[in-house]
Amino acid sequence: DTEVTQTPKHLVMGMTNKKSLKCEQHMGHRAMYWYKQKAKKPPELMFVYSYEKLSINESVPSRFSPECPNSSLLNLHLHALQPEDSALYLCASSQGLATDQQFFGPGTRLTVL
Amino acid sequence: AQTVTQSQPEMSVQEAETVTLSCTYDTSESNYYLFWYKQPPSRQMILVIRQEAYKQQNATENRFSVNFQKAAKSFSLKISDSQLGDTAMYFCALGPGNTGKLIFGQGTTLQVKP
Repeated sequence: DTEVTQTPKHLVMGMTNKKSLKCEQHMGHRAMYWYKQKAKKPPELMFVYSYEKLSINESVPSRFSPECPNSSLLNLHLHALQPEDSALYLCASSQGLATDQQFFGPGTRLTVL
Repeated sequence: AQTVTQSQPEMSVQEAETVTLSCTYDTSESNYYLFWYKQPPSRQMILVIRQEAYKQQNATENRFSVNFQKAAKSFSLKISDSQLGDTAMYFCALGPGNTGKLIFGQGTTLQVKP
């Protein structure tokens, strides 16, 4: 299984809502990532988890809260988002931090009203 | 600071022809990887090809090959026999170092025309 899955595919939320994005991989990877991608732009790194511990937070606003419950799962909890947070949120995983290839999920298309 | 530059925002090529996408980078690391990722419209980002910096031989994957010029810090992607399914945004990336961070270029949108 060389797949990273993400749910939901699409999400529309109001600025006062609380929602969560979910990412799952069963490749035995120990590093997982959240990226934010705007249209026609490269992905921007948000968070990196290594062995279920947060290793990088790229100065992301606190309205985004990551969680890594186990080695296969990565969540991104959303609260009080702004319209400018509307984007494609990508999850990725790799065997380790220094290993080469990152495998990307299909993303969650988020719209904040 | 590490940087990746893709100087061609958009390119087009006729089906069955060959096209080359450019990428230059800057890093002070001695050991690193370079990648080309493909992101078709509204579809998943997938790895096209990767190159380990310490390997002098250029990587190839079927119709995709790279021209890796380490001294010039250049890493171009050649697509031979272009197919309609090659239409996508292509990102050059540098990394990951010890932190897992990938540094992406701004991307090149490639349109393959029938």
